[in-house]
Amino acid sequence: DQQVKQNSPSLSVQEGRISILNCDYTNSMFDYFLWYKKYPAEGPTFLISISSIKDKNEDGRFTVFLNKSAKHLSLHIVPSQPGDSAVYFCAGYLTGNQFYFGTGTSLTVIP
Amino acid sequence: EAGVAQSPRYKIIEKRQSVAFWCNPISGHATLYWYQQILGQGPKLLIQFQNNGVVDDSQLPKDRFSAERLKGVDSTLKIQPAKLEDSAVYLCASSPPGSYEQYFGPGTRLTVT
Repeated sequence: DQQVKQNSPSLSVQEGRISILNCDYTNSMFDYFLWYKKYPAEGPTFLISISSIKDKNEDGRFTVFLNKSAKHLSLHIVPSQPGDSAVYFCAGYLTGNQFYFGTGTSLTVIP
Repeated sequence: EAGVAQSPRYKIIEKRQSVAFWCNPISGHATLYWYQQILGQGPKLLIQFQNNGVVDDSQLPKDRFSAERLKGVDSTLKIQPAKLEDSAVYLCASSPPGSYEQYFGPGTRLTVT
């Protein structure tokens, strides 16, 4: 039961340009959505989150947009840097329940 | 602040053998999670503890997997006997009280041959 989907397994972007990572979900009851970043041989690290009652959250170069009617969220990274190259996972969270992760998108930022 | 610690980092065993993983969460974090991440997939929750009680173990294959969290701090996850399809990275994560933010350890990469 794949409640959170990331349909793009990989993405390549030039340094300085915008990276847009997408995520779709099926469960309209999610309370929060989170983005995690994962480097090889490390555990995922929390990047940014958004409450289901918001449509935008910004933290420095990272902005997450939520479109509830489309059940879609996206992570924008502006400007992209080579150090942003990693696998990005989105996750939906049901309060008092559990997290549901997508399959990840591998971002490569080309210098 | 020390992060979530896990050991071992890598383990190779033969099918039908047993294996155990250890996790030490961040001090003060009441909630502890074990995830299984198969190559090319996202992490899948196996079990969630709140202090030393189990909150959710609905996706734990209980015929071969077991987990405990004694005294509400460290936790161990055991597989007995292992199958080829258990090859994965096993991630431990913890959350502070009242927060949904998870802090992950580096994971244990298990290879079953």
